[in-house]
Amino acid sequence: SAVISQKPSRDICQRGTSLTIQCQVDSQVTMMFWYRQQPGQSLTLIATANQGSEATYESGFVIDKFPISRPNLTFSTLTVSNMSPEDSSIYLCSVYQGAKGSYNEQFFGPGTRLTVL
Amino acid sequence: GESVGLHLPTLSVQEGDNSIINCAYSNSASDYFIWYKQESGKGPQFIIDIRSNMDKRQGQRVTVLLNKTVKHLSLQIAATQPGDSAVYFCAENIKGDYKLSFGAGTTVTVRA
Repeated sequence: SAVISQKPSRDICQRGTSLTIQCQVDSQVTMMFWYRQQPGQSLTLIATANQGSEATYESGFVIDKFPISRPNLTFSTLTVSNMSPEDSSIYLCSVYQGAKGSYNEQFFGPGTRLTVL
Repeated sequence: GESVGLHLPTLSVQEGDNSIINCAYSNSASDYFIWYKQESGKGPQFIIDIRSNMDKRQGQRVTVLLNKTVKHLSLQIAATQPGDSAVYFCAENIKGDYKLSFGAGTTVTVRA
């Protein structure tokens, strides 16, 4: 499976500021995703990062709050904008390397732990 | 040790015993299932998967069972070790759909 890294691994931010999280994969992947994991909770999909086009957001998540870029097949960023304490979560990047339309075996990065004060 | 019913948030198991983690999935159209292990401070780690045309699949010390009739999935860990202490999530998917839907997770604690 691909090796996935995320930067930063953790951060403490002030409310009203923005943080950009990077996800780097060591090989080209078909699809990249961003998830949020709130404290003690399960994972919720934020969006699918599309290479060369706008991300596809899930219900409850909007581009103004979580702008996403994916300039190539190995890299993506997620920005958490105008942060509030409710944004304190682990943000996870995941990737899928298989053929489109096949079984969606996803692998996850180590996550970015965000605390908003 | 076994989590009964749908699944319990926590499972405590004696080292060396077998563990059974249960998961009820919601979508009868789901045809692909994954178990992930998440250790403290880390991202989810892929453990084992199973497709809906199977009812059992074995890996190293782990076995996944799928009962489509009652939409139930279980993960069995043989000879549980301290390193198995983690939160375990099941995820369901429909082939060709990008979205994984995750269960609530079960925290497994291994007693020495």
